[in-house]
Amino acid sequence: NAGVMQNPRHLVRRRGQEARLRCSPMKGHSHVYWYRQLPEEGLKFMVYLQKENIIDESGMPKERFSAEFPKEGPSILRIQQVVRGDSAAYFCASSPPGGSYEQYFGPGTRLTVT
Amino acid sequence: KNQVEQSPQSLIILEGKNCTLQCNYTVSPFSNLRWYKQDTGRGPVSLTIMTFSENTKSNGRYTATLDADTKQSSLHITASQLSDSASYICVVSPRGSQGNLIFGKGTKLSVKP
Repeated sequence: NAGVMQNPRHLVRRRGQEARLRCSPMKGHSHVYWYRQLPEEGLKFMVYLQKENIIDESGMPKERFSAEFPKEGPSILRIQQVVRGDSAAYFCASSPPGGSYEQYFGPGTRLTVT
Repeated sequence: KNQVEQSPQSLIILEGKNCTLQCNYTVSPFSNLRWYKQDTGRGPVSLTIMTFSENTKSNGRYTATLDADTKQSSLHITASQLSDSASYICVVSPRGSQGNLIFGKGTKLSVKP
């Protein structure tokens, strides 16, 4: 059973471009969470999704950021018009249905904005 | 404000020695407290999860304790190994948050031969 997959692992974008980060949860998991980790900081919650639904987006910046988890395919975190401050590691985690405590993390995508 | 504070920020120990990492939190009420290990360049991996009613939980050489009255937790590592070098992160789940975890900044542990 493959773990949580994220791609790309490293992404370089120029200011103003769009960044798309993908997350494939573990098999059988229907809950996905996105976190951002700035250098020397702890992970910060961004958004919690279930299939086709956003459950909690209280940690998402109001502008330029969006997330989806379609019925088919991976979850996508989309950042429009990136700025240097968006440079960070973005981690995705998944958990099975039923409200499990456990979240399984992917390896992260390191976004660098030049 | 919900916060999780960890100490020390970094720690260097010799292989084979024990160590204890500390976590203080202000999250209330909370559902559970977790300790994760994060290797450089990788995602966090769960070590222990304790509900608010549990006092201690072990996972091999890792033992976590929780005092919900003083809002403190500790992670004790016994007989350290070189592979224990990593960041150890204390994470608290507020009650009813449905996935919104509050992370500490972590303690960076270096185990030297």
